[in-house]
Amino acid sequence: SYVLTQPPSLSVAPGKMAGITCGGDKVGSKSVHWYQQKPGQAPVLVIYYDKDRPSGIPERFSGSNSGNTATLTISRVEAGDEADYYCQVWDSSGDHWVFGGGTKLTVL
Amino acid sequence: EVQVVESGGGLVQPGRSLRLSCTTSGFTFGDFAMGWVRQAPGKGLEWVGLITSTAYGETTENAASVKGRFTISRDDSKSIAYLQMNSLKTEDTAVYYCVRVTAGDYFDYWGQGTLVTVPS
Repeated sequence: SYVLTQPPSLSVAPGKMAGITCGGDKVGSKSVHWYQQKPGQAPVLVIYYDKDRPSGIPERFSGSNSGNTATLTISRVEAGDEADYYCQVWDSSGDHWVFGGGTKLTVL
Repeated sequence: EVQVVESGGGLVQPGRSLRLSCTTSGFTFGDFAMGWVRQAPGKGLEWVGLITSTAYGETTENAASVKGRFTISRDDSKSIAYLQMNSLKTEDTAVYYCVRVTAGDYFDYWGQGTLVTVPS
């Protein structure tokens, strides 16, 4: 089955840029979606189709996807961005939806 | 406003059954596939299964970890999706989220989740 690999944690100072990676075999040929989950809350979609933002998501959130790595970039990180972030794809070979293991973003 | 609300969680003994409900409003329920995602305590997200819209035959798909034990159904007249969980195991302990599935295969709306606990 298809596997998505994320770093378990990332720490960034306020105002700096955070890049959360999501690795997978030829993931660049798939559409990657990203979710933000704050403690005690349900996940929220922040990026779909690699780089599109749902309404209400700040422009500071952007995405890219190429080769074997997709990246969620958060520019000018704020304290309120502290959360777990998950990437997700649809694995057509198995008709399954796959999540990465999640990355805990800590704002220093 | 789109709303997705799960109910039916609780404490259930191993081997027993439980049915979760996902009540929705604010959109044309019959036009969308609906799915379930779970999260074990302190762990990441795991896709459980989904059911396509009636137009696509109400086809269901399940993760290997629950195949043969969990069944998803829907009642378009009530805008409700269900997750029937049989032969529950301790490893099924998790918060279960109901999600609306877009044509692009991502989950654009999530419920607040309902906790299912299967004690050892």
